[in-house]
Amino acid sequence: DTAVSQTPKYLVTQMGNDKSIKCEQNLGHDTMYWYKQDSKKFLKIMFSYNNKELIINETVPNRFSPKSPDKAHLNLHINSLELGDSAVYFCASSQDSGNEQFFGPGTRLTVL
Amino acid sequence: GQQVMQIPQYQHVQEGEDFTTYCNSSTTLSNIQWYKQRPGGHPVFLIQLVKSGEVKKQKRLTFQFGEAKKNSSLHITATQTTDVGTYFCAVLSGSRLTFGEGTQLTVNP
Repeated sequence: DTAVSQTPKYLVTQMGNDKSIKCEQNLGHDTMYWYKQDSKKFLKIMFSYNNKELIINETVPNRFSPKSPDKAHLNLHINSLELGDSAVYFCASSQDSGNEQFFGPGTRLTVL
Repeated sequence: GQQVMQIPQYQHVQEGEDFTTYCNSSTTLSNIQWYKQRPGGHPVFLIQLVKSGEVKKQKRLTFQFGEAKKNSSLHITATQTTDVGTYFCAVLSGSRLTFGEGTQLTVNP
């Protein structure tokens, strides 16, 4: 059983398109996150939700919009994709915000 | 959020050599977590340190939290090829976990 799953694993798209990445966790955790990892491996938090409520909203372009339909799901929608959006996007979850985080396998986004 | 500096950025060792990565902060930390990310993989939680001067071991890995709770280290004794990957420290501030830049370890067999 996969604890934190993401789809798709790979996403190749043209500049200007709109795309979504989905994340689901079956751990019963209350908090979920989206991270962006660039080519230098730097991991940066983008958003965090606790029980479907947004609690962290870092300085990211408003082309990025997270949505949490329930506490087991946190999706990321990206409008008008740009070249600089190319990265690996990781979803993660934790029981509470101070506990260890469990990461999904990542979605490698390539914008051409 | 809190900033943490991690060094070195890269480390190449021969199999059997030891390896250490360090995380330093200018402010006192409430706790520090360590994660490992294998090439092509995702970060995996290793450990959390909370107490001043704490030392924890996991087989060949030794984790330390400084007395002033401003620095931490991860030491691997006698590296193996399975240790290859990027090691991250991460510090918690409120509900935000801020990751260090990571140390990419390569091990030559």
